[in-house]
Amino acid sequence: EDQVTQSPEALRLQEGESSSLNCSYTVSGLRGLFWYRQDPGKGPEFLFTLYSAGEEKEKERLKATLTKKESFLHITAPKPEDSATYLCAVDEIGGGADGLTFGKGTHLIIQP
Amino acid sequence: SQTIHQWPATLVQPVGSPLSLECTVEGTSNPNLYWYRQAAGRGLQLLFYSVGIGQISSEVPQNLSASRPQDRQFILSSKKLLLSDSGFYLCAWRSSYNSPLHFGNGTRLTVT
Repeated sequence: EDQVTQSPEALRLQEGESSSLNCSYTVSGLRGLFWYRQDPGKGPEFLFTLYSAGEEKEKERLKATLTKKESFLHITAPKPEDSATYLCAVDEIGGGADGLTFGKGTHLIIQP
Repeated sequence: SQTIHQWPATLVQPVGSPLSLECTVEGTSNPNLYWYRQAAGRGLQLLFYSVGIGQISSEVPQNLSASRPQDRQFILSSKKLLLSDSGFYLCAWRSSYNSPLHFGNGTRLTVT
């Protein structure tokens, strides 16, 4: 069973049409949840870290929220340049230094 | 500021040939270093990580190995490439276990 599940796998929106991406996780103890943006052929670019339920972070048209079982990435009035794959990752308590566990991502396309 | 360099950007190698991918980090000391592989539809898979010079932990048994000859240098190697080694290889660093990973721009490896 995957520890991190992202939905939908792909999402096509019109410019200005707001929506949300979901990341659900099943780790026993969450040390941190991370959101990344990845453009084709590039490495993931860090967006946000969330550490506790109820926490929110914002950057331009993006807002990330966290509950005890899932996180949402809200995109408000998106523009074509927001098109990318958005990845969610978790860092589990007791996981040591062994990196983050990633979801498979949501491929977002914003049409002008 | 910290930067991470990864090269080459693309590589085409025949089956059975050796491999060496390099990654260096600037602007920080004693980082935790990581090699991930990204395959379509499978997300990011952690291959190796290192918490210090000469210290390597392997997450997945495979045809690859890693080395850390200097504090900010991480190398991914293979003696004989397989077709299944094709993929997008990403190097990353983080300063501590609860901080975000920062990625390089990756190497697209095609084994023919």
